[in-house]
Amino acid sequence: EAGVVQSPRYKIIEKKQPVAFWCNPISGHNTLYWYRQNLGQGPELLIRYENEEAVDDSQLPKDRFSAERLKGVDSTLKIQPAELGDSAVYLCASSPWGMGLAGLNNEQFFGPGTRLTVL
Amino acid sequence: QQPVQSPQAVILREGEDAVINCSSSKALYSVHWYRQKHGEAPVFLMILLKGGEQKGHEKISASFNEKKQQSSLYLTASQLSYSGTYFCGTEGAGGTSYGKLTFGQGTILTVHP
Repeated sequence: EAGVVQSPRYKIIEKKQPVAFWCNPISGHNTLYWYRQNLGQGPELLIRYENEEAVDDSQLPKDRFSAERLKGVDSTLKIQPAELGDSAVYLCASSPWGMGLAGLNNEQFFGPGTRLTVL
Repeated sequence: QQPVQSPQAVILREGEDAVINCSSSKALYSVHWYRQKHGEAPVFLMILLKGGEQKGHEKISASFNEKKQQSSLYLTASQLSYSGTYFCGTEGAGGTSYGKLTFGQGTILTVHP
């Protein structure tokens, strides 16, 4: 079974430039998450999708971040414009079911992440 | 609110045991444990639900005290492959907390030969 795929793996940009990250979840997983992980910290949720609906985007900085999940499969996370503080690893994860509703089936499968460096 | 993990770091020799703790200030529905090696994705280890159900890898065990909002991960007879950063992720019980994992700051485990 293929895992969660993310691209690119690394991205270096100058501040004020736009950047986009792509995620392909595990086939059949209807819940998709985007996390940001700063160095030495745990992942921090940015947005959660159930199918194509964003059910929790309360921690997404909406002035510069946007996300979409077309047809409930692949997802794209965009930053425009990027700031120095956005340097981090952006992780995508998927789960076979929505959290809080299916108990033991809620394990999350993470992709390798995109390491973003903003200069 | 972010759960607190302890210790921040632990160093072991192969075959030794370790316990990693995770404490939350809010009522919890579930606790997840993940391990992340440097430059890699976090990997699922365990999930523990309020009420006692749990699922995870057979060589790893954990406990969840619902009343104290605490969980512990037990690593016995450690192997070199156990090295990495361990994160607990907590899901609150009720309201908007459902469906959202909040991760601790991580515990760095190093196993030496």
